[in-house]
Amino acid sequence: GAVVSQHPSRVICKSGTSVKIECRSLDFQATTMFWYRQFPKQSLMLMATSNEGSKATYEQGVEKDKFLINHASLTLSTLTVTSAHPEDSSFYICSARAQGGGYGYTFGSGTRLTVV
Amino acid sequence: AQSVSQHNHHVILSEAASLELGCNYSYGGTVNLFWYVQYPGQHLQLLLKYFSGDPLVKGIKGFEAEFIKSKFSFNLRKPSVQWSDTAEYFCAVHNNNDMRFGAGTRLTVKP
Repeated sequence: GAVVSQHPSRVICKSGTSVKIECRSLDFQATTMFWYRQFPKQSLMLMATSNEGSKATYEQGVEKDKFLINHASLTLSTLTVTSAHPEDSSFYICSARAQGGGYGYTFGSGTRLTVV
Repeated sequence: AQSVSQHNHHVILSEAASLELGCNYSYGGTVNLFWYVQYPGQHLQLLLKYFSGDPLVKGIKGFEAEFIKSKFSFNLRKPSVQWSDTAEYFCAVHNNNDMRFGAGTRLTVKP
């Protein structure tokens, strides 16, 4: 079945530094990837929709200059948290949709980011 | 390894039929449980969630789910489905810092 690999699974960084999270589709081509964030005791919230070869579409309230999304190929999308602050500490997860659409959504295993 | 299992890959029902989608997990300890729906071309939407309290949880659009701790299950139900319920449904389990999704169940409702 379709597999999405997300790395790293856990990262601790210092305040002010940047962190890159990778989401890679291993055995299919993903034209669309979704990036979500989960705050404690809440459900996932969509941050942005990433389409291969074009700019990401950000949800209202999500700072595009802070959360940089790059979807340069059909198998890789990256989320970079720039100038991280403690309030950016959260659980980030990606989901990929196979080329051709349909119901082929697959989730990565998530990244726990802690900013100290 | 911790895992979430959704037993049915694809379910096909006629309108007004009753629905039950299975979800089992292998986590120990305290868990938070979620059901999400994803309509074609859209992102995830939360249907319902369980953190504590009454194990029978009611969500949006007439969905409900029951947490049975002894069975490690959190099955989703709806008494009477509609054509507009056609979508993919994901069960998710959160335990401490780890969150895992099931593989999803595609529901097709025939008019």
